[in-house]
Amino acid sequence: DAKTTQPPSMDCAEGRAANLPCNHSTISGNEYVYWYRQIHSQGPQYIIHGLKNNETNEMASLIITEDRKSSTLILPHATLRDTAVYYCIVKQAGTALIFGKGTTLSVSS
Amino acid sequence: EPEVTQTPSHQVTQMGQEVILRCVPISNHLYFYWYRQILGQKVEFLVSFYNNEISEKSEIFDDQFSVERPDGSNFTLKIRSTKLEDSAMYFCASSGGVGFRPDANTGELFFGEGSRLTVL
Repeated sequence: DAKTTQPPSMDCAEGRAANLPCNHSTISGNEYVYWYRQIHSQGPQYIIHGLKNNETNEMASLIITEDRKSSTLILPHATLRDTAVYYCIVKQAGTALIFGKGTTLSVSS
Repeated sequence: EPEVTQTPSHQVTQMGQEVILRCVPISNHLYFYWYRQILGQKVEFLVSFYNNEISEKSEIFDDQFSVERPDGSNFTLKIRSTKLEDSAMYFCASSGGVGFRPDANTGELFFGEGSRLTVL
């Protein structure tokens, strides 16, 4: 029973911004939006999370719509090393982090 | 930067054998997890562990599986009698730390590089 919907794949040119969308129309008020990525078969890597407000860190920006039903992860200047599977996950505090199928982002030169 | 370390990186075992996968979480973390990923499939949650007991587990985590924190640094996953379908990459993760409320389990997990288990 997926809580999020992501496109299965996206392409991006190196140096351009990568905008990865996520729909979470059934999100509840106490659920956070988390983004992780998995490069090849490495362990998943935390990127960013938010509740209502937009967030930015050294890796990415997270834009959450006002109604919280969707969000976009922005990698401002994608590099080849950003090629990975990106997971959007909604989660309450104290519950397990459950991964879906994610979006495979391919960055090419 | 502190990291989660896992051993062994790869283990090959015969069906029916017991396997123990080991993890050293980040030292001041309070929550520990095991996930697995069968080749070509998604990352699956197995179990979370806090305050020396299981806090949540999935349907996958049946009686064949157990977890333990035998000392102050290690966190282990035991599979009692391995089956062919247990072949997967097993990831350990940890979260939380000094200053967090104990019940404020954040979703910022730090994952290890995984232990690949091959059951023949």
